[in-house]
Amino acid sequence: AQKVTQAQTEISVVEKEDVTLDCVYETRDTTYYLFWYKQPPSGELVFLIRRNSFDEQNEISGRYSWNFQKSTSSFNFTITASQVVDSAVYFCALSARDTGRRALTFGSGTRLQVQP
Amino acid sequence: GAVVSQHPSWVICKSGTSVKIECRSLDFQATTMFWYRQFPKQSLMLMATSNEGSKATYEQGVEKDKFLINHASLTLSTLTVTSAHPEDSSFYICSVMAGTGNLIWTFGSGTRLTVV
Repeated sequence: AQKVTQAQTEISVVEKEDVTLDCVYETRDTTYYLFWYKQPPSGELVFLIRRNSFDEQNEISGRYSWNFQKSTSSFNFTITASQVVDSAVYFCALSARDTGRRALTFGSGTRLQVQP
Repeated sequence: GAVVSQHPSWVICKSGTSVKIECRSLDFQATTMFWYRQFPKQSLMLMATSNEGSKATYEQGVEKDKFLINHASLTLSTLTVTSAHPEDSSFYICSVMAGTGNLIWTFGSGTRLTVV
């Protein structure tokens, strides 16, 4: 079975603070994909990143960075110098083959509030 | 890039009526489509997986006679909520998976269903 855990239900920070959103996953498959999505109040999912299980390189994109560690089954997401526009719900997701399907399994989400 | 169009974006219907939601892939062939449901302040939960030309596979606890899925072509899948009740009010999102070696997943913009 596959599972994604986002232990932080809600985080509140003040603008310009750095914030890290945690994601821990479970899968028996050796080949899988990990994702992060942003969901603003409009509801539409905004794709942020996809990472293949064979690629453990960390990635930086502007103020966003991701730390993928297979040893701890974690794929954490850091926003540097947060802004009010970063306020949203963020979902970590996993797609693996061990359940016989490739649908994304989502974590419960972390609601980020950035105060001005 | 892969574009998925989902309509309508919102719908209000009376209890007991049926509602159809469409999900179209605009610039690629979608052999596999997924339907998710998201209740307020909750995560996205997979309802069913549909493959073009075959019957959908429903997740445990999802009534297949209530949520009818049709995937008659490589570019269109529909979800019909039959005899809708207020508890069916939710945000429904489709997702398309395409490709072979390098898989891609794309999400529709979602449909907010309110049953009164």
